[in-house]
Amino acid sequence: GESVGLHLPTLSVQEGDNSIINCAYSNSASDYFIWYKQESGKGPQFIIDIRSNMDKRQGQRVTVLLNKTVKHLSLQIAATQPGDSAVYFCAENMGSGGGADGLTFGKGTHLIIQP
Amino acid sequence: DSGVTQTPKHLITATGQRVTLRCSPRSGDLSVYWYQQSLDQGLQFLIHYYNGEERAKGNILERFSAQQFPDLHSELNLSSLELGDSALYFCASSPSVPGQVPQYFGPGTRLTVL
Repeated sequence: GESVGLHLPTLSVQEGDNSIINCAYSNSASDYFIWYKQESGKGPQFIIDIRSNMDKRQGQRVTVLLNKTVKHLSLQIAATQPGDSAVYFCAENMGSGGGADGLTFGKGTHLIIQP
Repeated sequence: DSGVTQTPKHLITATGQRVTLRCSPRSGDLSVYWYQQSLDQGLQFLIHYYNGEERAKGNILERFSAQQFPDLHSELNLSSLELGDSALYFCASSPSVPGQVPQYFGPGTRLTVL
């Protein structure tokens, strides 16, 4: 079975509000995590990553939080815009480090921005 | 635009046939990864090549194979195609330096097996 999963398949938020997308992982040996955004008809687009020795990482309008105790990952998007509408995937690397093995992806959350 | 290119964008073929999907990584990237995305299985890792050598295999069927050429482009060969092979196929590349670095995905090839 998959070791990475998402709690909510669909999330609908008002434009301008903050969004939080959650992800659970089961492999405590995973040491690298990535969030991707996939728009219809396109490939996954890198948003932000975090290593297991960090709890939080911030980017432009996005923040990733990692809670290793409960094996939980979240993506926070501030002031959501229509262009944020997409499917969001969390992914983990269970390789020995260096990305030698492929990523394991969660099922994805469809974020819908309401005007 | 990630810098990863894939051809063709769409491919329609019949069961039992063989197809080849092509990927060019970002300039300077030595690693190429192949993934399959289907409605029932989601995004699944197939295989990883680094500088021409196979590094890791995921859920890749024996009917599928890949290779990476000296110019670093990669091809994914799918043979004896079945209806269930219909999916999106993505390649991704990552920087050559070892470490925890993101993979950058191409636009994908949509394969339809009739």
